[in-house]
Amino acid sequence: DTEVTQTPKHLVMGMTNKKSLKCEQHMGHRAMYWYKQKAKKPPELMFVYSYEKLSINESVPSRFSPECPNSSLLNLHLHALQPEDSALYLCASSLRTGGRTDTQYFGPGTRLTVL
Amino acid sequence: AQSVTQLDSQVPVFEEAPVELRCNYSSSVSVYLFWYVQYPNQGLQLLLKYLSGSTLVKGINGFEAEFNKSQTSFHLRKPSVHISDTAEYFCAVSDPGNQFYFGTGTSLTVIP
Repeated sequence: DTEVTQTPKHLVMGMTNKKSLKCEQHMGHRAMYWYKQKAKKPPELMFVYSYEKLSINESVPSRFSPECPNSSLLNLHLHALQPEDSALYLCASSLRTGGRTDTQYFGPGTRLTVL
Repeated sequence: AQSVTQLDSQVPVFEEAPVELRCNYSSSVSVYLFWYVQYPNQGLQLLLKYLSGSTLVKGINGFEAEFNKSQTSFHLRKPSVHISDTAEYFCAVSDPGNQFYFGTGTSLTVIP
């Protein structure tokens, strides 16, 4: 099984709302990632978790709050977002962090619209 | 830091014609190279990767890429494209600092 699942597929939220994005993998991978992707652009790395600990935060605003409850799950909590945060949010996993040869497996993404 | 250049932002090609998508990276130090494909409204999927050994790498869906160290290139090719190959293609590099860099992407449109 090489699948990364993400829920929900689509999310529309107001600037005062609180919502969460969820990501799950059952490949035994110990590195999990959140990316933000704008239309026709490459993914931009937001966070990396390694062995359930946050290892990289690419200067992401605090209105995005990641959480890794266990080795299979990754959440992204959203609060007080801005319209410019509207994007496709991709989750990915790989066998380990820093494994330069490791393939990152991507989920289908959550399409987020902030009104 | 590495930079990954995909010179062609859009490539239209007729069905059953060959295609080459170009990728150049900035440094000749030891790197690993990847091509990912993103179909409309989907996540990214690995097409192929170069780690070592033969410079010609074969991937899924009939794609192949050639690693050229002297030209710091990793161009993607397919001898005959199908409508279903219409997608965004991203070249990516993993460098000795364990950083992963994506190129800006090439939008391939296959014309019937």
